Amino acid sequence: GQQVMQIPQYQHVQEGEDFTTYCNSSTTLSNIQWYKQRPGGHPVFLIQLVKSGEVKKQKRLTFQFGEAKKNSSLHITATQTTDVGTYFCAGLLYSGGGADGLTFGKGTHLIIQP
Amino acid sequence: NAGVMQNPRHLVRRRGQEARLRCSPMKGHSHVYWYRQLPEEGLKFMVYLQKENIIDESGMPKERFSAEFPKEGPSILRIQQVVRGDSAAYFCASSPIGGELVGNTEAFFGQGTRLTVV
Repeated sequence: GQQVMQIPQYQHVQEGEDFTTYCNSSTTLSNIQWYKQRPGGHPVFLIQLVKSGEVKKQKRLTFQFGEAKKNSSLHITATQTTDVGTYFCAGLLYSGGGADGLTFGKGTHLIIQP
Repeated sequence: NAGVMQNPRHLVRRRGQEARLRCSPMKGHSHVYWYRQLPEEGLKFMVYLQKENIIDESGMPKERFSAEFPKEGPSILRIQQVVRGDSAAYFCASSPIGGELVGNTEAFFGQGTRLTVV
């Protein structure tokens, strides 16, 4: 079935190292959203990408949307302890005659060692 | 402007009991989505509601689960005769627009209800 896949599931980095998580969809997405969830917290919206090949930056975070609009990535430069959490991508997938809610990837858990 | 409010934050139920989870969307939002999150897993879509209407419940288990969003009051996710496998975090999200447009706008999540079935 239609799904959104994320890798890696877990990523351990030393503080100051870079981090990247990848998201792939089995179907073309109209757009993709990224969320961050701190341990014990709730998902918080980070950004939305709409255009093919789009790149957006938020301070140390860089988001990319693939040319075919089927994959996306989030890259964090020089990680800090405040970056700890799980990063989810989410896309709108269509089934039957209409759209369901967002389909989330399983997330990448970022663990930072000081 | 208060965010999405969910209560209770934590709920413990014995097997066979009923669980009622409440969600008040952000002011001005008429579209509500419920998601379930198992430990170490992503969020799985359950149901999409507008006021007094269930728009899409394709992610809801066929038995024991029901949802409503009445004209007045919060949205309710109801789980009857809970089993241990129902233990999870249940998140509600609201949006000012929905349907095919839901992917074009940020979804605001509540803090979730963590259900534990003992």
